[in-house]
Amino acid sequence: KNEVEQSPQNLTAQEGEFITINCSYSVGISALHWLQQHPGGGIVSLFMLSSGKKKHGRLIATINIQEKHSSLHITASHPRDSAVYICAVRSLPNFGNEKLTFGTGTRLTIIP
Amino acid sequence: DAGVIQSPRHEVTEMGQEVTLRCKPISGHDYLFWYRQTMMRGLELLIYFNNNVPIDDSGMPEDRFSAKMPNASFSTLKIQPSEPRDSAVYFCASSREGLNTGELFFGEGSRLTVL
Repeated sequence: KNEVEQSPQNLTAQEGEFITINCSYSVGISALHWLQQHPGGGIVSLFMLSSGKKKHGRLIATINIQEKHSSLHITASHPRDSAVYICAVRSLPNFGNEKLTFGTGTRLTIIP
Repeated sequence: DAGVIQSPRHEVTEMGQEVTLRCKPISGHDYLFWYRQTMMRGLELLIYFNNNVPIDDSGMPEDRFSAKMPNASFSTLKIQPSEPRDSAVYFCASSREGLNTGELFFGEGSRLTVL
């Protein structure tokens, strides 16, 4: 079993739909990162969170440390949101350990 | 700031040749990371530096791979000799601080094809 599991692997939705991508992990963590990789290959950091909830525009990320689970939500989805979304965790211990473990990604396609 | 700059963007080489990938991190960022992305294994950390010092190279596949950071604005990842299984996209990323508080900034990647 991978340390970081994402679901679904692939998601196709109509423009305007509410999107949820899930990330579950099996180890203690100090932080979780959500990344976006566009079809051209570039990777952009969306969120870094260690508790609670963060919001940037139409994107919302939540994390439940006790349940070892995070979700990424996209409201009013748009074709430009089509990308691969990658979850990555920074495991404990907290000091001197900057290694991220990556999920395999969720490929999102938004149809106009 | 120009962001993390990698070169070359694409490299095609023959098995056995030496490959050097280059990275300029964002100024003021104390951490530099080299990642490799393949279809089979996804994103994997190869090595990271803190203040130019290599901290964890446990992800470097074997002795054919080496990385250096001679100063705060430049790093190289070298593969010698290259093999077809090294074909992948290699990303350099930097962060101002540790990843429990800091955001990662990625370069555009170097796509390596070894024939």
